[in-house]
Amino acid sequence: GENVEQHPSTLSVQEGDSAVIKCTYSDSASNYFPWYKQELGKGPQLIIDIRSNVGEKKDQRIAVTLNKTAKHFSLHITETQPEDSAVYFCALGAGSYQLTFGKGTKLSVIP
Amino acid sequence: NAGVTQTPKFQVLKTGQSMTLQCAQDMNHEYMSWYRQDPGMGLRLIHYSVGAGITDQGEVPNGYNVSRSTTEDFPLRLLSAAPSQTSVYFCASSRVEGSPLHFGNGTRLTVT
Repeated sequence: GENVEQHPSTLSVQEGDSAVIKCTYSDSASNYFPWYKQELGKGPQLIIDIRSNVGEKKDQRIAVTLNKTAKHFSLHITETQPEDSAVYFCALGAGSYQLTFGKGTKLSVIP
Repeated sequence: NAGVTQTPKFQVLKTGQSMTLQCAQDMNHEYMSWYRQDPGMGLRLIHYSVGAGITDQGEVPNGYNVSRSTTEDFPLRLLSAAPSQTSVYFCASSRVEGSPLHFGNGTRLTVT
C-alpha cells in the first residue's frame, strides 16, 4: 500500500517560534492530504487539510503546503503556544475512504 | 452531537479471553474503521466498512473480527486475546470518500 514518511519524529520549539513538519509520499494518485492533532488521552482531530488542486491553505496560525511534483507536503505552525504541544500526524488519501498515516511528530512548545 | 463514541475507555484482559470493543456514530456516516495505535508505529488500519453489511480487511486484521449490521455501530471483536494486541484502539468514521475522518477517544487495552 501507500507509504508516507513523516519527519521529524520529535520537535521542540520555544514559545512564539515556528514549527514545520514534513511528509513525503510516493503514490502520485494521492489527492487528499489532511493533518491531525492528537492530545494526550484523546483521539486524533483534523486541524487542516488540502487537496491536490491547491498548493497552499492557511487557517490562522496553521498552514499546509503541497508540492505534488516533489511529492511532499508540510504543516507550518507560526507563533507557537504551549497548547500547540501534541502529536501531529500527516495522512494521505487517493480517492477512497481510506487514509494512510505517517508515524507522528511529537511537538513540545517550551514556555 | 456525540460524534464517535467508543466504550469501554480502558480494559484489561488475560491471554485467551474474548471481548468486544464498541463503536457508535450519530453522524449517519457510511464509512467506519478501526485503527490500532502503538508507540512509534502511527495508526494502522485493522478493518473497515463502507456501509451496513459490508466489511473488509485493513493492514493488520489478524486476530480481529468485525460486523456492520447498522449504519451507526461497528463493533470490533477479539476472539482470543494475545499480549501482542495490547494497544490503543480508535474507531473512526467519514461521510464520503476523500472527506475527513472523525475519531473516537479510544479504548486502551492491556492483555496480560
